[in-house]
Amino acid sequence: QITLKESGPTLVKPTQTLTLTCTFSGFSLSTSGVGVGWIRQPPGKALEWLALIYWNDDKRYSPSLKSRLTITKDTSKNQVVLTMTNMDPVDTATYYCAQSDLYCGGDCYHFDYWGQGTLVTVSS
Amino acid sequence: SYELTQPPSVSVSPGQTARITCSGDALPKQYAYWYQQKPGQAPVLVIYKDSERPSGIPERFSGSSSGTTVTLTISGVQAEDEADYYCQSADSSGTPHVVFGGGTKLTVL
Repeated sequence: QITLKESGPTLVKPTQTLTLTCTFSGFSLSTSGVGVGWIRQPPGKALEWLALIYWNDDKRYSPSLKSRLTITKDTSKNQVVLTMTNMDPVDTATYYCAQSDLYCGGDCYHFDYWGQGTLVTVSS
Repeated sequence: SYELTQPPSVSVSPGQTARITCSGDALPKQYAYWYQQKPGQAPVLVIYKDSERPSGIPERFSGSSSGTTVTLTISGVQAEDEADYYCQSADSSGTPHVVFGGGTKLTVL
């Protein structure tokens, strides 16, 4: 059974750095093709992809947020960490982590399993 | 930057067929995926690789592709299908980046 869970602060102040941790079970980030991504959703708005890290440490970032994001993995702990610098009230959103598998008979970029999400509010 | 375009809303009566479209220039080169999201819940994958259905997803959900447009079809819509639906794909750069459409609210009348 694959599960993912996001953890981190629920409230951050403007200009601070947000650090979120995704702790997962039921799969390994050392398995060829496997990846973990971050997606966010402001209240009442659409999903927005942020970042994705693969088993081989290949990292992909949203072009519009690349300068503010860093994604890392700790395979031994089954964790993926996302940091986002210079937080602003517009970054208020539910942040999800999700599992991806590149190999599906062609290159694939979908997310099979999602965490429950964590709401992060940016306010002074 | 690359964008996927969906209609903001679609309405159908129970038992009818709902069709939700998603347009993007790279869709002939990249697979499309569809997610269902109900209020307060995480998204659920309902279609992958344009037209494949994950295990546990009802057969009334199907996907198709034609050129730069992909379509999610829900046949025999039920009240429980009322939700937001998002398409997702990747751009066609050398190192593809994930992109989501703006979402479509499906209302069952």
